[in-house]
Amino acid sequence: DTGVSQNPRHKITKRGQNVTFRCDPISEHNRLYWYRQTLGQGPEFLTYFQNEAQLEKSRLLSDRFSAERPKGSFSTLEIQRTEQGDSAMYLCASVGFAGTYEQYFGPGTRLTVT
Amino acid sequence: QQQVKQSPQSLIVQKGGISIINCAYENTAFDYFPWYQQFPGKGPALLIAIRPDVSEKKEGRFTISFNKSAKQFSLHIMDSQPGDSATYFCAAGGQTGANNLFFGTGTRLTVIP
Repeated sequence: DTGVSQNPRHKITKRGQNVTFRCDPISEHNRLYWYRQTLGQGPEFLTYFQNEAQLEKSRLLSDRFSAERPKGSFSTLEIQRTEQGDSAMYLCASVGFAGTYEQYFGPGTRLTVT
Repeated sequence: QQQVKQSPQSLIVQKGGISIINCAYENTAFDYFPWYQQFPGKGPALLIAIRPDVSEKKEGRFTISFNKSAKQFSLHIMDSQPGDSATYFCAAGGQTGANNLFFGTGTRLTVIP
């Protein structure tokens, strides 16, 4: 399968715990996006990488959130001290080459904070 | 502020009918307008997209109509099928720094056999 993959698919955690999600983009895609989707809403932009550089962060990305893409391939999104309001689907999307716009999404990680 | 407004929130169509979903955007810097289809528990799947240099794009049963002066675009699904039952999101992006997409709030489409 050459699509975007995300792990885990589901995560249930208790409030205050830290969680980390992983995204593997389509091979050789140099741009990677993280979005958050809450129930009944469209995805909202969180942050963006071009290769290993994190170039932009949304104001939705509080200090408790951190994202990395260490070698310009896979990316991780960590949430520290989770809150119930963090419960959402976290989506990753990758984009191919400069000048292209098509964003291909992974299946998402569903986070539930109890 | 919602950058992309989508309507209707839900839509019920008979099999074989035409489904029409509408979107409006604010930012004239947007130059890429995709539609995504999402099934429960899945990520959004790119369905069809248009750039503002054309007023219409058709792929199979799916057509995007684009009105640049009105800042509106719509998705038409011809000969709607029960398998089309899903949530559809319009989005807009491009020329905005990160080139991230701004999504509408979605339309839940149900096609009745």
